[in-house]
Amino acid sequence: EVQLEESGGGLVRPGGSLTLSCAASGFTFSGYNMNWVRQAPGKGLEWVSSINSRSNYIFYADSVKGRFTISRDNAKKSLYLQMNSLRVEDTAVYYCARDADRGYGPDLDSWGQGTRVTVSS
Amino acid sequence: DIQMTQSPSSLSASVGDRVTITCRASQSIDNYLNWYQQKPGKAPKLLIYAASSLQSGVPSRFSGSGSGTDFTLTISSLQPGDFATYYCQQSYITLLSFGGGTKVEIK
Repeated sequence: EVQLEESGGGLVRPGGSLTLSCAASGFTFSGYNMNWVRQAPGKGLEWVSSINSRSNYIFYADSVKGRFTISRDNAKKSLYLQMNSLRVEDTAVYYCARDADRGYGPDLDSWGQGTRVTVSS
Repeated sequence: DIQMTQSPSSLSASVGDRVTITCRASQSIDNYLNWYQQKPGKAPKLLIYAASSLQSGVPSRFSGSGSGTDFTLTISSLQPGDFATYYCQQSYITLLSFGGGTKVEIK
């Protein structure tokens, strides 16, 4: 069974930093592209960042570019999101999601349960 | 960037109703369109990929259609577990984007 489990969320002051982790199991993690998607309270889904299986293609939403860094460790079957210069508007539940990569662009077929990040003074 | 617009933003329907949700892209995305279902407090679940392909394990009452800029998600006979929020997502360009969501509520 495919499982993704996020951790690392919490309360942080504006301007602070936080690193999220996503532990994968039940599939060959090194063979899949991965994504972070967030959802602000009461709002819709917002794609944040993606990384391919070899970490040589990385993309960010404009809203986080220059502040967030996505990375992965295939040996540890883990995905990360380093978040710096956090803003109140970064408050959200952050999900990691697997790209099924069936040839029609990224379709996210497995998701973690999410980790909550609150940016507040 | 590609903007995705869903309509309606919410709807009320009864069990057994046929429900149609529309998603429009700001430019042509061929069939690079996916649909997700999200229930309160839960992660999204993939329903449809490549505009019309049913994800494994998803009931056949869900179907998707469309190409280019206009897409629809149809639930042929609404079931109690289908009351949720539905999102479309374009996968045409690497910077992914989601529609604003359609909340399906009980009438």
